[in-house]
Amino acid sequence: DVKVTQSSRYLVKRTGEKVFLECVQDMDHENMFWYRQDPGLGLRLIYFSYDVKMKEKGDIPEGYSVSREKKERFSLILESASTNQTSMYLCASSHRGGGNQPQHFGDGTRLSIL
Amino acid sequence: DAKTTQPNSMESNEEEPVHLPCNHSTISGTDYIHWYRQLPSQGPEYVIHGLTSNVNNRMASLAIAEDRKSSTLILHRATLRDAAVYYCILRDFPRGSNYKLTFGKGTLLTVNP
Repeated sequence: DVKVTQSSRYLVKRTGEKVFLECVQDMDHENMFWYRQDPGLGLRLIYFSYDVKMKEKGDIPEGYSVSREKKERFSLILESASTNQTSMYLCASSHRGGGNQPQHFGDGTRLSIL
Repeated sequence: DAKTTQPNSMESNEEEPVHLPCNHSTISGTDYIHWYRQLPSQGPEYVIHGLTSNVNNRMASLAIAEDRKSSTLILHRATLRDAAVYYCILRDFPRGSNYKLTFGKGTLLTVNP
């Protein structure tokens, strides 16, 4: 089975801190994604990466950056955390290809910014 | 991605089959039909996908109408662990893989013991 592992299930940080969320997948997937999920707003794409060192902005990249130095690992960075970044963060991965490639998700990190 | 319509909620009894419907009348010829589910406090989980033919896997079956304007996710024997929100999503080929998933409101499935 595909395994997407996020480093923390719950995280509490303070306003202004630099926050790192880590994600690792074990299926040699080319694509990796970071979403956030908020009540009433559904899933929103922050960034995705289709190869090592490659990244593209999603719908809401402001206040975030990403890093993909190795194929299996995709990191999300909150440069200076703010309270409006309190959310559930979800990492996903998939093979490159067409619409027949499913995305596999981690269990999520529930991040609270105080 | 084209729009899908699902009932807001459905209820089932444990160990009974569940048929979750999805309408997608504007589906295009290259759209794959995907189903995901999300259990409380967990990330979404891929369930199954198909293009034209019915599909089976260890989790569920997907029945696709001949005109492809609707589909049904079938859970053969519901368990309490199947209580979740189920999302029906259309993914476009060839760009679908690199693009975001857009979840609608989905169907909240309640399973009674």
